[in-house]
Amino acid sequence: GAVVSQHPSWVICKSGTSVKIECRSLDFQATTMFWYRQFPKQSLMLMATSNEGSKATYEQGVEKDKFLINHASLTLSTLTVTSAHPEDSSFYICSASGTDYYEQYFGPGTRLTVT
Amino acid sequence: QQPVQSPQAVILREGEDAVINCSSSKALYSVHWYRQKHGEAPVFLMILLKGGEQKGHEKISASFNEKKQQSSLYLTASQLSYSGTYFCGTPNKDTPLVFGKGTRLSVIA
Repeated sequence: GAVVSQHPSWVICKSGTSVKIECRSLDFQATTMFWYRQFPKQSLMLMATSNEGSKATYEQGVEKDKFLINHASLTLSTLTVTSAHPEDSSFYICSASGTDYYEQYFGPGTRLTVT
Repeated sequence: QQPVQSPQAVILREGEDAVINCSSSKALYSVHWYRQKHGEAPVFLMILLKGGEQKGHEKISASFNEKKQQSSLYLTASQLSYSGTYFCGTPNKDTPLVFGKGTRLSVIA
């Protein structure tokens, strides 16, 4: 099956700093990548969809200036949490798909803790 | 539109069976099922496409009834390793997966 990696797997940062999370598709070209956020004991909530070379599409209620997404190549997407606050602490998971949305492959997730 | 899962939680003894349901108020093109262990990312179980198909892998199977806009996941002779939270995901043709709230399954010895 397709493999998606995320880096880092966990990060602790201070309030007000920015954090970058990388998502890579290792053995296939990901036309589209998705970023999800999951709070404890809750479902995965889609934050944004990004296509290689174009601007990300953000879901309602997600601040695009706070969560910067860059999909520079067919194998790499990054999510930068700018001016992080404790309420941004969460499990961030990316997924990637090829030519259609019917198959999405998830990365292992990044646990962000903002102190 | 978030699909609705039921039950919210279930506790089983090893060897017992369980059914998890997923329904949507919108027409479904496909249904995806995932299992997530605590602290880990979701793991893909199976996709069911239109046509009322059923699929299975070992003792986990699922059905999809697009007329009723629902899918069911069947776990038979449950094992301790089946414990986790099960999510169904329903994409439309041009939109990514939207997950249900999940069903927490606990299998005890």
